[in-house]
Amino acid sequence: AQRVTQPEKLLSVFKGAPVELKCNYSYSGSPELFWYVQYSRQRLQLLLRHISRESIKGFTADLNKGETSFHLKKPFAQEEDSAMYYCALMTGGGNKLTFGTGTQLKVEL
Amino acid sequence: SAVISQKPSRDICQRGTSLTIQCQVDSQVTMMFWYRQQPGQSLTLIATANQGSEATYESGFVIDKFPISRPNLTFSTLTVSNMSPEDSSIYLCSAAGPQGNYGYTFGSGTRLTVV
Repeated sequence: AQRVTQPEKLLSVFKGAPVELKCNYSYSGSPELFWYVQYSRQRLQLLLRHISRESIKGFTADLNKGETSFHLKKPFAQEEDSAMYYCALMTGGGNKLTFGTGTQLKVEL
Repeated sequence: SAVISQKPSRDICQRGTSLTIQCQVDSQVTMMFWYRQQPGQSLTLIATANQGSEATYESGFVIDKFPISRPNLTFSTLTVSNMSPEDSSIYLCSAAGPQGNYGYTFGSGTRLTVV
């Protein structure tokens, strides 16, 4: 069965420091991976997806099939990055999203 | 991407009663889903709402407890039946277009408290 693991419940960094939110997955098929973000009092929204190889708000994520990882990175954290981040794996032919437990990122001044 | 309106945004209900949550999308979407997020936990898929046919439920979720309707390509409802305090959660509606790999849009959620 598919599984997404985010080992850190809370990650606290200082403004300007690099950020890495870890995500590992378990899936026998070809993975489609996403990062979702939920800012305070806002709805869950898509941050980025691995197939587009894009950088959104300075964040990037590379799919590493050898390590089954999809870590989210940003070189310099900003205060507005403070939010809950969820890694998600799509399976079932594009029908199902399996979410990790989420990492709360707190950027301190 | 589609915009989803979900209501109610929150409710406090007595045990043994039922609550119906509505999800309206501003454009036609291929797929609609219902998720539950229990306190301190991640999102768990309840079911896929199929237009014109019975919903497809995930393991651990049954139609009698969570009946779902999807009469057209823009609207769905989830009913939480015979509620108990363990049903206290955030319930989320989600939708995707013909190619789900561009990601899903989520509603703002319904925060349900059962007393």
